[in-house]
Amino acid sequence: GAGVSQSPRYKVAKRGQDVALRCDPISGHVSLFWYQQALGQGPEFLTYFQNEAQLDKSGLPSDRFFAERPEGSVSTLKIQRTQQEDSAVYLCASSLGQLQPQHFGDGTRLSIL
Amino acid sequence: KNEVEQSPQNLTAQEGEFITINCSYSVGISALHWLQQHPGGGIVSLFMLSSGKKKHGRLIATINIQEKHSSLHITASHPRDSAVYICAVRGGSQGNLIFGKGTKLSVKP
Repeated sequence: GAGVSQSPRYKVAKRGQDVALRCDPISGHVSLFWYQQALGQGPEFLTYFQNEAQLDKSGLPSDRFFAERPEGSVSTLKIQRTQQEDSAVYLCASSLGQLQPQHFGDGTRLSIL
Repeated sequence: KNEVEQSPQNLTAQEGEFITINCSYSVGISALHWLQQHPGGGIVSLFMLSSGKKKHGRLIATINIQEKHSSLHITASHPRDSAVYICAVRGGSQGNLIFGKGTKLSVKP
């Protein structure tokens, strides 16, 4: 497709389960960002990839959060031992370069019961 | 204090009204974005600007770097403009965005 694709669109998990969220960026986009958006708030930065290299993970809230982009294209955000405070919309954005306009996916809405 | 502040938080307007949403930031930036988010989460980039003014259709965005302030204007507002408008600045060294909390706009017919 032409845009950034995220899957699943909705994910419900029980507290303590592991979840994996997928992002397919626009083909050719070098930069990939993950953001977390809590209800009623603006998104907050989680992590940044340039190709396969994770150059900034300063926004990851805990060591339960892990992101990878092994071939410099698709990225996966994994959350281990989920907690209720992990409930949020997780947004992925990609861009041609780190200073270029970012294109956003529709997000994955994660609900932890 | 948030690094990016938007006002108002909520805005209700009648169709046809001129709308202004304001954004102030406290960090050094290389660019400022205005984004539109509809219910369901999808975000669309409206503008990216680093100086002056940009116009696209009924939307106008301005930025004053010295005052660290930007405005988004919507002329002849329409119910389909109803959405959350988010100001975001690019200040991180890696290009990541710092977001405001958004302004929820509702345009009544």
